[in-house]
Amino acid sequence: DAGVTQSPTHLIKTRGQQVTLRCSPISGHKSVSWYQQVLGQGPQFIFQYYEKEERGRGNFPDRFSARQFPNYSSELNVNALLLGDSALYLCASSLSNRRATYNEQFFGPGTRLTVL
Amino acid sequence: AQKVTQAQTEISVVEKEDVTLDCVYETRDTTYYLFWYKQPPSGELVFLIRRNSFDEQNEISGRYSWNFQKSTSSFNFTITASQVVDSAVYFCALSEANSGTYKYIFGTGTRLKVLA
Repeated sequence: DAGVTQSPTHLIKTRGQQVTLRCSPISGHKSVSWYQQVLGQGPQFIFQYYEKEERGRGNFPDRFSARQFPNYSSELNVNALLLGDSALYLCASSLSNRRATYNEQFFGPGTRLTVL
Repeated sequence: AQKVTQAQTEISVVEKEDVTLDCVYETRDTTYYLFWYKQPPSGELVFLIRRNSFDEQNEISGRYSWNFQKSTSSFNFTITASQVVDSAVYFCALSEANSGTYKYIFGTGTRLKVLA
């Protein structure tokens, strides 16, 4: 089975532009989470979606938004890009996020965004 | 407050030496999960181990071993007889059961350089 896939692999944008990153979860996984990893730091939680509903949001400005589609794939959108948005954006999928049951997250290879 | 601290920013060892990577965590939850991930230069997070808060047994997998001590809130990772291929950034992460999202809280990572 294919793992978590993300596209594009690399992306270069200029300040003020908008970007859309895409993620396809592992088949059967209904939950998708997004993380931002700035160079030299650990990944930071941005969003989690489960069955198309937002289930969690990290400490990121409203310029960051996401959505999940009926096939459980997800898009992360970032508007009005800033230089500080340059980072590796990681997507992770899990079977579900039911509180009573732990489900491990599996990470994709990431999209490396450079803002000039 | 949830937090993961990896105080060692970078460690250099000579091949075949043993090396221990430290991880200290903070959480108020009684049920939580701890992880170690390896991140090679390609960027993809490679899962190494998961530990549940109610299971303090140490674990060994080949050259890797993990020491989980709730009394000191530590989850340290030891590589025995290190190899050049072990060179990477290693992240410790925490996931709390009562967060509602099981989001991962990562430390800042430890860069391990194994010299031939």
